[in-house]
Amino acid sequence: QKEVEQNSGPLSVPEGAIASLNCTYSDRGSQSFFWYRQYSGKSPELIMFIYSNGDKEDGRFTAQLNKASQYVSLLIRDSQPSDSATYLCAVRGLGYSSASKIIFGSGTRLSIRP
Amino acid sequence: ETGVTQTPRHLVMGMTNKKSLKCEQHLGHNAMYWYKQSAKKPLELMFVYNFKEQTENNSVPSRFSPECPNSSHLFLHLHTLQPEDSALYLCASSQELGLAGDEQFFGPGTRLTVL
Repeated sequence: QKEVEQNSGPLSVPEGAIASLNCTYSDRGSQSFFWYRQYSGKSPELIMFIYSNGDKEDGRFTAQLNKASQYVSLLIRDSQPSDSATYLCAVRGLGYSSASKIIFGSGTRLSIRP
Repeated sequence: ETGVTQTPRHLVMGMTNKKSLKCEQHLGHNAMYWYKQSAKKPLELMFVYNFKEQTENNSVPSRFSPECPNSSHLFLHLHTLQPEDSALYLCASSQELGLAGDEQFFGPGTRLTVL
């Protein structure tokens, strides 16, 4: 059974601190990894994607991928109250035949306290 | 209209009704997706279309019937649903299946309640 696992939280972080969100996946054939943010009552919106081992930075966000450990994480620096949301990790294969296999984690609820 | 739109935004139906959900994307994308989001469950992929061809049916019951007449429109036809089918149904689109970093853009969703 292919799975993507996330700690459901809630994860409470003080404003200005670093929030660290983690995701593990079971399918070693997975190639593309996505982090989505979903506010309550809204649809998911993409924050970052990563498909090479290492770090990828975009503003306050850093995605980290370790394929050997089957682990992907999202760091949010200088956390703001507006970062309070549920963060979804998604995993898919690369290439036409496997790209249809998209699996989402159940999400981690992040709360930034002022 | 911009992005991905879905209608209706809310739908209440009985188990014997037939209804359809509509999704339209204005992004020039070639891939479209239907997802189901239930409370306290992961987002579940239901169907995938690429250039109007269905590429994935994730073991979805036949009471859900998708239709993709062109790359901009996607429908989900519903009939004889069960109360456990009540959920948020999300449509998404992306440039093309299989591209690296193929970002999906989600519509606002249809909140479905089956009585």
